[in-house]
Amino acid sequence: DIVMTQTPLSLSVTPGQPASISCKSSQSLLHSNGKTYLYWFLQKPGQSPQLLIYEVSSRFSGVPDRFSGSGSGTEFTLTVSRVEAEDVGVYYCMQGVQFPLTFGGGTNVEIK
Amino acid sequence: QVQLQESGPGLVKPSQTLSLTCTVSGDSISSGTYYWRWIRQPAGKGLEWIGHIYTSGTTNYNPSLKSRVTISIDTSKNQFSLNLSSVTAADTAVYYCARGSGYWGQGTLVTVSS
Repeated sequence: DIVMTQTPLSLSVTPGQPASISCKSSQSLLHSNGKTYLYWFLQKPGQSPQLLIYEVSSRFSGVPDRFSGSGSGTEFTLTVSRVEAEDVGVYYCMQGVQFPLTFGGGTNVEIK
Repeated sequence: QVQLQESGPGLVKPSQTLSLTCTVSGDSISSGTYYWRWIRQPAGKGLEWIGHIYTSGTTNYNPSLKSRVTISIDTSKNQFSLNLSSVTAADTAVYYCARGSGYWGQGTLVTVSS
Protein backbone atom coordinates (compact mmCIF):
# COMPACT_ATOMS: atom_id res chain seq x y z
CA ASP A 1 0.00 0.00 0.00
CA ILE A 2 1.13 3.57 -0.64
CA VAL A 3 1.71 5.37 2.65
CA MET A 4 0.72 9.03 2.77
CA THR A 5 2.48 11.15 5.40
CA GLN A 6 1.18 14.59 6.27
CA THR A 7 2.94 17.31 8.21
CA PRO A 8 2.33 19.08 10.45
CA LEU A 9 -0.21 17.22 12.53
CA SER A 10 -1.73 20.50 13.60
CA LEU A 11 -1.52 24.13 12.66
CA SER A 12 -2.72 27.30 14.36
CA VAL A 13 -3.08 30.21 11.97
CA THR A 14 -3.91 33.88 12.32
CA PRO A 15 -6.74 34.93 10.01
CA GLY A 16 -5.40 36.52 6.86
CA GLN A 17 -2.08 34.70 7.12
CA PRO A 18 -0.95 31.88 4.82
CA ALA A 19 -0.81 28.22 5.74
CA SER A 20 0.86 25.25 4.09
CA ILE A 21 0.46 21.53 4.57
CA SER A 22 2.86 18.92 3.25
CA CYS A 23 1.99 15.47 2.01
CA LYS A 24 4.58 12.87 1.04
CA SER A 25 3.84 9.53 -0.57
CA SER A 26 5.91 6.35 -0.28
CA GLN A 27 5.73 5.88 -4.06
CA SER A 28 5.35 8.16 -7.02
CA LEU A 29 1.77 9.17 -7.74
CA LEU A 30 2.50 9.70 -11.44
CA HIS A 31 0.36 7.38 -13.55
CA SER A 32 1.44 6.01 -16.89
CA ASN A 33 -1.20 8.25 -18.49
CA GLY A 34 0.77 11.31 -17.40
CA LYS A 35 -1.63 12.36 -14.65
CA THR A 36 -0.69 12.54 -10.99
CA TYR A 37 -3.47 11.36 -8.71
CA LEU A 38 -3.12 13.42 -5.56
CA TYR A 39 -6.17 14.94 -3.91
CA TRP A 40 -6.80 17.31 -1.00
CA PHE A 41 -9.90 17.30 1.18
CA LEU A 42 -11.14 19.46 4.03
CA GLN A 43 -13.37 17.96 6.70
CA LYS A 44 -15.02 20.76 8.60
CA PRO A 45 -16.26 19.96 12.12
CA GLY A 46 -19.25 17.66 12.00
CA GLN A 47 -19.26 17.46 8.21
CA SER A 48 -18.29 15.07 5.44
CA PRO A 49 -14.95 15.60 3.74
CA GLN A 50 -15.14 18.00 0.81
CA LEU A 51 -12.86 17.92 -2.19
CA LEU A 52 -10.64 20.96 -2.56
CA ILE A 53 -7.98 19.95 -5.07
CA TYR A 54 -7.71 17.07 -7.54
CA GLU A 55 -4.77 15.88 -9.60
CA VAL A 56 -2.29 17.95 -7.57
CA SER A 57 -3.37 21.44 -8.54
CA SER A 58 -6.87 21.60 -10.05
CA ARG A 59 -9.45 23.30 -7.85
CA PHE A 60 -12.79 21.54 -7.56
CA SER A 61 -15.96 23.40 -8.48
CA GLY A 62 -16.75 26.22 -6.06
CA VAL A 63 -13.44 26.08 -4.18
CA PRO A 64 -12.06 29.57 -3.48
CA ASP A 65 -8.88 30.51 -5.29
CA ARG A 66 -7.06 31.05 -1.99
CA PHE A 67 -6.58 27.26 -2.02
CA SER A 68 -3.82 25.97 -4.26
CA GLY A 69 -1.94 22.73 -4.68
CA SER A 70 1.51 22.00 -5.98
CA GLY A 71 4.09 19.25 -6.18
CA SER A 72 5.06 16.24 -8.18
CA GLY A 73 6.18 12.66 -7.81
CA THR A 74 6.10 12.00 -4.10
CA GLU A 75 6.01 15.46 -2.52
CA PHE A 76 3.00 17.75 -2.48
CA THR A 77 1.82 20.91 -0.79
CA LEU A 78 -1.53 22.50 -0.12
CA THR A 79 -1.36 26.23 0.42
CA VAL A 80 -4.06 28.54 1.72
CA SER A 81 -2.98 32.04 0.77
CA ARG A 82 -5.07 33.86 3.37
CA VAL A 83 -6.73 31.68 5.98
CA GLU A 84 -10.30 32.51 6.91
CA ALA A 85 -12.30 31.37 9.90
CA GLU A 86 -14.34 29.00 7.71
CA ASP A 87 -11.17 27.10 6.76
CA VAL A 88 -10.90 25.36 10.13
CA GLY A 89 -11.03 21.60 10.17
CA VAL A 90 -8.94 18.59 9.27
CA TYR A 91 -7.18 18.49 5.91
CA TYR A 92 -6.44 15.16 4.28
CA CYS A 93 -4.42 14.22 1.24
CA MET A 94 -5.29 11.07 -0.70
CA GLN A 95 -3.60 9.12 -3.45
CA GLY A 96 -5.62 7.63 -6.28
CA VAL A 97 -2.92 6.10 -8.45
CA GLN A 98 -3.01 2.62 -6.93
CA PHE A 99 -5.49 0.44 -5.06
CA PRO A 100 -6.11 0.57 -2.20
CA LEU A 101 -6.70 4.29 -2.20
CA THR A 102 -5.00 5.67 0.88
CA PHE A 103 -5.26 8.86 2.91
CA GLY A 104 -2.82 10.85 4.94
CA GLY A 105 -3.38 10.99 8.67
CA GLY A 106 -4.78 14.50 8.56
CA THR A 107 -3.71 17.99 9.59
CA ASN A 108 -5.89 19.83 12.07
CA VAL A 109 -6.09 23.54 11.29
CA GLU A 110 -7.38 25.96 13.87
CA ILE A 111 -7.64 29.71 14.02
CA LYS A 112 -5.62 31.68 16.56
CA GLN B 1 -26.58 19.03 -8.14
CA VAL B 2 -25.48 15.50 -7.27
CA GLN B 3 -26.58 14.32 -3.85
CA LEU B 4 -25.91 11.06 -2.05
CA GLN B 5 -27.67 9.70 1.02
CA GLU B 6 -26.62 6.70 3.08
CA SER B 7 -29.23 4.57 4.80
CA GLY B 8 -29.24 1.43 6.89
CA PRO B 9 -29.22 0.12 10.46
CA GLY B 10 -27.30 2.18 12.97
CA LEU B 11 -26.66 -0.82 15.18
CA VAL B 12 -25.36 -4.21 14.10
CA LYS B 13 -24.53 -7.17 16.29
CA PRO B 14 -21.05 -8.72 16.25
CA SER B 15 -20.59 -11.46 13.65
CA GLN B 16 -23.56 -10.20 11.64
CA THR B 17 -23.53 -8.40 8.28
CA LEU B 18 -23.56 -4.64 8.00
CA SER B 19 -25.70 -3.50 5.06
CA LEU B 20 -25.89 0.06 3.82
CA THR B 21 -27.45 1.65 0.77
CA CYS B 22 -26.52 4.87 -0.95
CA THR B 23 -29.27 6.62 -2.88
CA VAL B 24 -28.10 8.98 -5.60
CA SER B 25 -30.09 11.96 -6.83
CA GLY B 26 -29.27 14.57 -9.42
CA ASP B 27 -27.38 12.07 -11.55
CA SER B 28 -28.01 8.71 -13.15
CA ILE B 29 -25.86 6.03 -11.59
CA SER B 30 -25.70 4.22 -14.92
CA SER B 31 -24.44 7.18 -16.93
CA GLY B 32 -20.99 8.68 -16.99
CA THR B 33 -17.80 7.01 -15.93
CA TYR B 34 -17.60 7.29 -12.19
CA TYR B 35 -16.40 5.28 -9.27
CA TRP B 36 -19.14 4.85 -6.67
CA ARG B 37 -17.23 4.58 -3.40
CA TRP B 38 -17.58 3.60 0.22
CA ILE B 39 -15.25 5.15 2.79
CA ARG B 40 -15.39 4.89 6.55
CA GLN B 41 -14.09 6.84 9.52
CA PRO B 42 -13.90 5.55 13.09
CA ALA B 43 -14.66 8.20 15.66
CA GLY B 44 -11.80 10.64 16.03
CA LYS B 45 -9.71 8.85 13.41
CA GLY B 46 -8.81 9.15 9.76
CA LEU B 47 -10.42 7.98 6.54
CA GLU B 48 -10.30 4.45 5.16
CA TRP B 49 -11.29 3.53 1.62
CA ILE B 50 -13.46 0.41 1.66
CA GLY B 51 -13.93 -0.07 -2.05
CA HIS B 52 -15.86 1.04 -5.06
CA ILE B 53 -17.90 -0.08 -7.99
CA TYR B 54 -17.51 1.34 -11.44
CA THR B 55 -20.49 2.19 -13.60
CA SER B 56 -19.72 -0.95 -15.61
CA GLY B 57 -20.06 -3.08 -12.47
CA THR B 58 -16.35 -3.68 -11.95
CA THR B 59 -15.38 -3.63 -8.29
CA ASN B 60 -12.21 -2.97 -6.33
CA TYR B 61 -11.90 -3.57 -2.61
CA ASN B 62 -9.44 -2.71 0.10
CA PRO B 63 -7.40 -5.89 0.65
CA SER B 64 -7.69 -5.38 4.40
CA LEU B 65 -11.45 -5.94 4.07
CA LYS B 66 -11.69 -7.81 0.79
CA SER B 67 -12.81 -11.16 2.17
CA ARG B 68 -15.76 -9.51 3.94
CA VAL B 69 -16.88 -6.78 1.51
CA THR B 70 -19.35 -6.78 -1.33
CA ILE B 71 -20.39 -3.64 -3.20
CA SER B 72 -23.24 -3.84 -5.67
CA ILE B 73 -25.19 -1.47 -7.86
CA ASP B 74 -28.92 -1.24 -8.65
CA THR B 75 -29.40 1.01 -11.64
CA SER B 76 -33.19 0.68 -11.52
CA LYS B 77 -33.24 2.32 -8.09
CA ASN B 78 -30.26 4.60 -8.71
CA GLN B 79 -28.57 3.07 -5.67
CA PHE B 80 -25.44 1.22 -4.73
CA SER B 81 -24.91 -0.87 -1.64
CA LEU B 82 -22.29 -2.09 0.82
CA ASN B 83 -22.32 -5.42 2.62
CA LEU B 84 -19.65 -6.07 5.25
CA SER B 85 -19.84 -9.49 6.84
CA SER B 86 -18.62 -10.86 10.17
CA VAL B 87 -18.43 -7.45 11.77
CA THR B 88 -16.65 -6.70 15.03
CA ALA B 89 -16.38 -3.62 17.22
CA ALA B 90 -13.49 -2.49 15.00
CA ASP B 91 -16.01 -1.90 12.21
CA THR B 92 -17.80 0.78 14.23
CA ALA B 93 -17.46 3.96 12.19
CA VAL B 94 -19.19 6.63 10.19
CA TYR B 95 -19.70 5.21 6.71
CA TYR B 96 -19.70 7.55 3.72
CA CYS B 97 -20.72 6.92 0.15
CA ALA B 98 -19.28 9.08 -2.60
CA ARG B 99 -19.24 9.62 -6.34
CA GLY B 100 -15.61 9.72 -7.26
CA SER B 101 -13.83 12.17 -4.99
CA GLY B 102 -16.08 15.17 -5.49
CA TYR B 103 -19.47 14.30 -4.04
CA TRP B 104 -20.00 12.71 -0.64
CA GLY B 105 -23.00 11.73 1.41
CA GLN B 106 -23.43 13.11 4.91
CA GLY B 107 -22.35 9.81 6.43
CA THR B 108 -24.10 7.36 8.69
CA LEU B 109 -22.86 6.05 12.02
CA VAL B 110 -22.85 2.30 12.37
CA THR B 111 -22.16 0.85 15.78
CA VAL B 112 -21.27 -2.81 16.21
CA SER B 113 -22.41 -3.96 19.62
CA SER B 114 -24.46 -6.69 21.22
